[in-house]
Amino acid sequence: GAVVSQHPSWVICKSGTSVKIECRSLDFQATTMFWYRQFPKQSLMLMATSNEGSKATYEQGVEKDKFLINHASLTLSTLTVTSAHPEDSSFYICSASGSASYNEQFFGPGTRLTVL
Amino acid sequence: DAKTTQPTSMDCAEGRAANLPCNHSTISGNEYVYWYRQIHSQGPQYIIHGLKNNETNEMASLIITEDRKSSTLILPHATLRDTAVYYCIAPPSNTGKLIFGQGTTLQVKP
Repeated sequence: GAVVSQHPSWVICKSGTSVKIECRSLDFQATTMFWYRQFPKQSLMLMATSNEGSKATYEQGVEKDKFLINHASLTLSTLTVTSAHPEDSSFYICSASGSASYNEQFFGPGTRLTVL
Repeated sequence: DAKTTQPTSMDCAEGRAANLPCNHSTISGNEYVYWYRQIHSQGPQYIIHGLKNNETNEMASLIITEDRKSSTLILPHATLRDTAVYYCIAPPSNTGKLIFGQGTTLQVKP
């Protein structure tokens, strides 16, 4: 199957700082990338959908000014958590799909963010 | 998208078939059924999907009832590495909006 990587795999930061998470599709061109968040013992929650070269579409309740998404190429999307606070501590997971089926997504390994 | 209902947890003996059921009684005619799994602290993994015919790949088989109101994912010879949370999802047609419910936690035991 297709491979998606994320970097970093974990990060610890101080409250008020910004953190950038990268998501790369390594062996295919991802026309669409998705960002999810998962709190402990809960299921994944879709945060936003991004298409290469256009603005991301955010799910209801997700602050677009706090979670900045950039999808500058067909193989790279970034999520920046701005002015992070302890309540933003979570497991952030990206996924990517080609143009054939947006519902068949290939997920990255996730990034564990801890805000102190 | 159609709501799906799965048992919270299941056990399976190693080497035996694991049959994971899913109810999706409100599924519409053009909505596929997708199965993903998530091993602890990893990103989810796509397993299989289908519309109305049974499907099989190297990982699993998917059996969909004729009325499409339910389906069963079959792992033919479960191994300890198959221990994971399994999600049955029926997303709106090709939108990419995967709504993950609580899934079924499958514990494969030696």
